[in-house]
Amino acid sequence: AQSVAQPEDQVNVAEGNPLTVKCTYSVSGNPYLFWYVQYPNRGLQFLLKYITGDNLVKGSYGFEAEFNKSQTSFHLKKPSALVSDSALYFCAVRDNTGGFKTIFGAGTRLFVKA
Amino acid sequence: NAGVTQTPKFRVLKTGQSMTLLCAQDMNHEYMYWYRQDPGMGLRLIHYSVGEGTTAKGEVPDGYNVSRLKKQNFLLGLESAAPSQTSVYFCASRQRYEQYFGPGTRLTVT
Repeated sequence: AQSVAQPEDQVNVAEGNPLTVKCTYSVSGNPYLFWYVQYPNRGLQFLLKYITGDNLVKGSYGFEAEFNKSQTSFHLKKPSALVSDSALYFCAVRDNTGGFKTIFGAGTRLFVKA
Repeated sequence: NAGVTQTPKFRVLKTGQSMTLLCAQDMNHEYMYWYRQDPGMGLRLIHYSVGEGTTAKGEVPDGYNVSRLKKQNFLLGLESAAPSQTSVYFCASRQRYEQYFGPGTRLTVT
């Protein structure tokens, strides 16, 4: 069965500092991995994905994520946080064997302090 | 392109009432999904569709029904609303990899 774990309910970072939001996953085959962001009273917006190829993927708004197969992790990173990055972040996984369902983590709230 | 739209944005129902939530997408996507979002639980899949005329159950289908008569529309029905169905409902569509989400419907059942 597929699952996603986001071990931190909240991450606090000072503006200008690097940020990391953690995600680990479990899937029977090889994974498609995703990060989405949700601002207050809005739907989820796609940030980036790992499908195949380079383990480091770059996405919108300066975010990147590193796929680590041995640790089954897909942590979201940004070199320099902005106050406007404060939001709810979701990691998600789908197996690449033709599955239709994407499993979402519980979400991590990022708070960037000025 | 409007992307994914949802109507209504807000609704308050009394226990036992029925309603239909409408999702529409203008991207010609094959796959469509209905999720509910509750605090601390992420998104849970209610029902999904892999094409016009098809539907399938997700993780939490009880108390909900769906229909996809047209490719661009995916309807979610509550036949007899219960307080446990108080939630924010999101529709999403995709063609290949990532999903595109609507703005959500906030439903309160009293």
